[in-house]
This record gives sequence, structure tokens and C-alpha cells, in this order.
Amino acid sequence: DTEVTQTPKHLVMGMTNKKSLKCEQHMGHRAMYWYKQKAKKPPELMFVYSYEKLSINESVPSRFSPECPNSSLLNLHLHALQPEDSALYLCASSQRLGLPQPQHFGDGTRLSIL
Amino acid sequence: QKEVEQDPGPLSVPEGAIVSLNCTYSNSAFQYFMWYRQYSRKGPELLMYTYSSGNKEDGRFTAQVDKSSKYISLFIRDSQPSDSATYLCAMITSGTYKYIFGTGTRLKVLA
Repeated sequence: DTEVTQTPKHLVMGMTNKKSLKCEQHMGHRAMYWYKQKAKKPPELMFVYSYEKLSINESVPSRFSPECPNSSLLNLHLHALQPEDSALYLCASSQRLGLPQPQHFGDGTRLSIL
Repeated sequence: QKEVEQDPGPLSVPEGAIVSLNCTYSNSAFQYFMWYRQYSRKGPELLMYTYSSGNKEDGRFTAQVDKSSKYISLFIRDSQPSDSATYLCAMITSGTYKYIFGTGTRLKVLA
């Protein structure tokens, strides 16, 4: 079991649906990340939060909307996704942004867009 | 040229073999190096985290960094079928936020 918990583990949604992915960590980390991973590829960074504020948006389409309600929680709101958005969505956390400390990943949400 | 190069494999070895996994990189500013293991349908799990050139050992795993050659390695001793996974190297420069990942090497340890 990882210290970063993601729910749901699997999600199937239509292109017109709205859904949210959730991530939780209780390690006291103040930097949290969303990644997208396609099959047989490394993770691609999407968003970075530092102290609950959005620090980095890696030019992600607006159909993905992140939210950080508090220091332990990170959400990713999904709306009007495309079939090519089907992937494993990973959440990660680290102690502080900009410090050379390792990121710890959750097990991800496997998303399928019909 | 990619910043980080990693052979995708698959690499198949018999149980008990010593496995050597490698990454080369082009950016001499990289200072911190990580190895992650990722099982199918799971997230990456941190195995090793190193800074300086030289070796770092943790159980059956040894991470090696050669900054002069821009080359890092992960050695697995007495490999087990449970080591079958994809191994990702990642690296970062000081003061930045973005990991640069290798493509991952798929390892199969045959019983």
C-alpha cells in the first residue's frame, strides 16, 4: 500500500460526463502533482501545487481542472474529455517544491473515455 | 537527442541472476537521481534516491552514479520473479520541480 491514496481506482466515463479524481496524502507534504501516463510511456507532468496554490500548469487543456482544497487533498475535475485522454492518472507528493526530494506516487486512477 | 536515454527492453533473466539497468543523460546539470519500480496497473514506487557519484546500497539493490560519464545504473542481486516490473530512472536539477524520466525498462525474471 502506498502513502498516497487515489480514488477511484478505475473510472469509465462518456465524453459528456463530469467526474472527479481524488488524491490524499498524510505525510505532511506541501507539494502535490498530477501526472498522466499512457501505456509503456513514462509519466507526463500536468499540474503542480505548492502550499495549496497552483504553481505549474504544463499547458494542459481546460477540460482538466485541478483543485487543492487543503494540504492533504488534491482533486482533478474532468469534463468533456476525449478518447485520447484515456490513461492512468497519477498523483504524487513531495515535501516542498524546488527541493531535491523524491516524489511519492499513488497507484493511480485508470481512466477510460468511451 | 533525448535528455535521458533508457533501453525499453524487455530484459529477460533467470531467477538468481544479477540484473543491470542503465540510463544515460545529456544534461550535466542533473544532480539528483531516482529509480522507481512500477508493477503493471500500479503507480511508480521509489526504490533509490542518490545525489553524489558513487554507489548506494539498499538490500539487494545498488544504485550507481557516474557523473563524469553521465551514466547511472541500478543493480539487482539475486533477482526474483517478484522483481518483474518496469524500472524507471528519473533525474532533476537543483531548484527545479520537473523530473525528467527515462522511458522505463521492462524486466522479466523467469522462475
